[in-house]
Amino acid sequence: NFVLTQPHSVSESPGKTVTISCTRSSGSIASNSVQWYQQRPGSSPTIVIYEDYQRPSGVPDRFSGSIDSSSNSASLSISGLKPEDEADYHCQSSDRTGRVFGGGTKLTVL
Amino acid sequence: QVHLQQWGAGLLKPSETLSLTCAVYGGSFSGYYWTWIRQAPGKGLEWIGEVNHGGSTTYKASLKSRVSISLDTSKNQFSLSLRSVTAADTAVYYCAGLWLGSYYFDSWGQGTLVTVSS
Repeated sequence: NFVLTQPHSVSESPGKTVTISCTRSSGSIASNSVQWYQQRPGSSPTIVIYEDYQRPSGVPDRFSGSIDSSSNSASLSISGLKPEDEADYHCQSSDRTGRVFGGGTKLTVL
Repeated sequence: QVHLQQWGAGLLKPSETLSLTCAVYGGSFSGYYWTWIRQAPGKGLEWIGEVNHGGSTTYKASLKSRVSISLDTSKNQFSLSLRSVTAADTAVYYCAGLWLGSYYFDSWGQGTLVTVSS
């Protein structure tokens, strides 16, 4: 199996753009889709990006996803930061043995 | 998307068996992978395992010897059993659904805090 590594925390000011990385330890990041979930305190996670860069209906276009094969990582970018974006963000992918989550990143909007 | 409602015991002693059940409302029971995910205090999400409508299961390798996930199709419910719990199993446990042919969990239960303490 593989590990997805995320930074423990990131912070940025309102109106700015922040990017959260998710690096896959083995196997290609492009071989299985990457999803991103937002989790506010005390709540269940909700999807914000699926299949690397797809946005579910209802998710603002301020949220975008990408993958970079050269660094074997996926990224979630949030532009025009708002206070309500403050949350934990979790990346998730799969291989033939099952599904894997990253350790989660706490986003603080200063 | 469906609505998931979960329940089960919240306080266990070491060596006991954790049992949780999740009921599915308002959608296709047969169209999903039904999944259990947990989150230890202050930690990230951890996939435990899943079952499809046919009853085929996949488990996280490190938990495989202690875990089982089962279906009750007559009640549109699925359940988690985790044997021989220790303090390391203390976590919020979530049930979740992943639509067949998609890649993400679009339905989540409300979460159940399970504490293992003597």
